Amino acid sequence: QKEVEQDPGPLSVPEGAIVSLNCTYSNSAFQYFMWYRQYSRKGPELLMYTYSSGNKEDGRFTAQVDKSSKYISLFIRDSQPSDSATYLCAMSARRAGNMLTFGGGTRLMVKP
Amino acid sequence: EAGVTQFPSHSVIEKGQTVTLRCDPISGHDNLYWYRRVMGKEIKFLLHFVKESKQDESGMPNNRFLAERTGGTYSTLKVQPAELEDSGVYFCASSRAQGEVKNEQYFGPGTRLTVT
Repeated sequence: QKEVEQDPGPLSVPEGAIVSLNCTYSNSAFQYFMWYRQYSRKGPELLMYTYSSGNKEDGRFTAQVDKSSKYISLFIRDSQPSDSATYLCAMSARRAGNMLTFGGGTRLMVKP
Repeated sequence: EAGVTQFPSHSVIEKGQTVTLRCDPISGHDNLYWYRRVMGKEIKFLLHFVKESKQDESGMPNNRFLAERTGGTYSTLKVQPAELEDSGVYFCASSRAQGEVKNEQYFGPGTRLTVT
């Protein structure tokens, strides 16, 4: 069983829709949770960084962490065609200098 | 501030040959990581440098892979001899010093390695 599970998609939504992306994990030691966006043939770009349980909002993006359920989410409001990319969740057990464990990524397509 | 850079962007080599990948981290970042994504799989950790020292190399697949970070600046990852299963995209990432609050890792564009 993988440590981090993520539905590969693709997820296709119309422009302006609210997008919900999710990951589940099995390792209770994970404390730090990240969402990366990756465009085709590019490197992962850090979108959101959260610690422990709770919500964090940044513009159109909201990250949620529920450690009791081992479940994290990324919500994108008013989705745009430019949001079309692969979204990767990643997590680490320690604050600094620790390796990231990634989900497989969800491919999102936002249609105009 | 310049981002993480990697060279080459793409390399095609034959089985048994040697390839060296290079990563230049963001200036001032003590932590440097190598990751790899093989076809159909998730991105996986290979190793972690703090300055010039290897902090964690638990993800290195075997002794055909050699990573160095002389002087604590750029890093190289050498694969010798390359095998077919080494094909994939190799990413480098960097983050600030250990004492910093966040472990925000910034990724380079990757090197796509094809072994034929």
